[in-house]
Amino acid sequence: KQEVTQIPAALSVPEGENLVLNCSFTDSAIYNLQWFRQDPGKGLTSLLLIQSSQREQTSGRLNASLDKSSGRSTLYIAASQPGDSATYLCAVGPDSSYKLIFGSGTRLLVRP
Amino acid sequence: SAVISQKPSRDICQRGTSLTIQCQVDSQVTMMFWYRQQPGQSLTLIATANQGSEATYESGFVIDKFPISRPNLTFSTLTVSNMSPEDSSIYLCSVELAALEQFFGPGTRLTVL
Repeated sequence: KQEVTQIPAALSVPEGENLVLNCSFTDSAIYNLQWFRQDPGKGLTSLLLIQSSQREQTSGRLNASLDKSSGRSTLYIAASQPGDSATYLCAVGPDSSYKLIFGSGTRLLVRP
Repeated sequence: SAVISQKPSRDICQRGTSLTIQCQVDSQVTMMFWYRQQPGQSLTLIATANQGSEATYESGFVIDKFPISRPNLTFSTLTVSNMSPEDSSIYLCSVELAALEQFFGPGTRLTVL
C-alpha cells in the first residue's frame, strides 16, 4: 500500500530564504507526482506536476524534483516571500487511474 | 487549467440531516473526483465519478452514506447523508485534465452540530 510522508510538518523561515520541502513515498512504481498549495480554509492550487519519466519541473521560483528509485521528491522555493505562507501538499498518482494519494502536508510560514 | 466552483462554500447542519454539494466545471471532463479533508488531516479520496456510470467508491466509503450523481460532463453532486459530527470536514471536488494533472475546487466546509 502506497504511503506518502512529508517532512517537516511545519517550517518557519525569514523572508528571502531558499527552502526545501520533502516528500517521500513507499512504492517507487508511481505514475506521476503533483505538488499543491493550500491556503487556510481553501481548496488546492496545483503548483507542479512531474511525470514518472521526468526528473524535475520548474515554474517561476519553484522547482520540483523526482527520484523514483529512492522514493523522494523535493519542492525547492527560491527567495521565499510572506505570500508563500501556506500548506504544501504532495500527492502521488500510483497508476493511470488518476487517483491521488496525499501526504499530510508541510505548513510553511515565511516571516516578514 | 479549469475553473471549478462548488456550492455551498460552507454550511452548518444538524445531526441526522443531509447536505448536497454541487461541483461545476467550465469545460467538459471525463472524470471527476470527490475528496474529504477532515480537520487537521490531509485529503482522502471518497469516490470517482464518471458520466453515465455508477461512481466508484474507495474503501471505507459507501453509496448509502455518500451518494453521487454525474448527470453530464460538467457537473456532479455529492450528498452527505444522515450526518454526524464526524462528518465535519472540507469536501473538495477535482477534475483531471490533459496530461493527468488534477485541479481542485475551492471546497465546501461542513460543520455538523
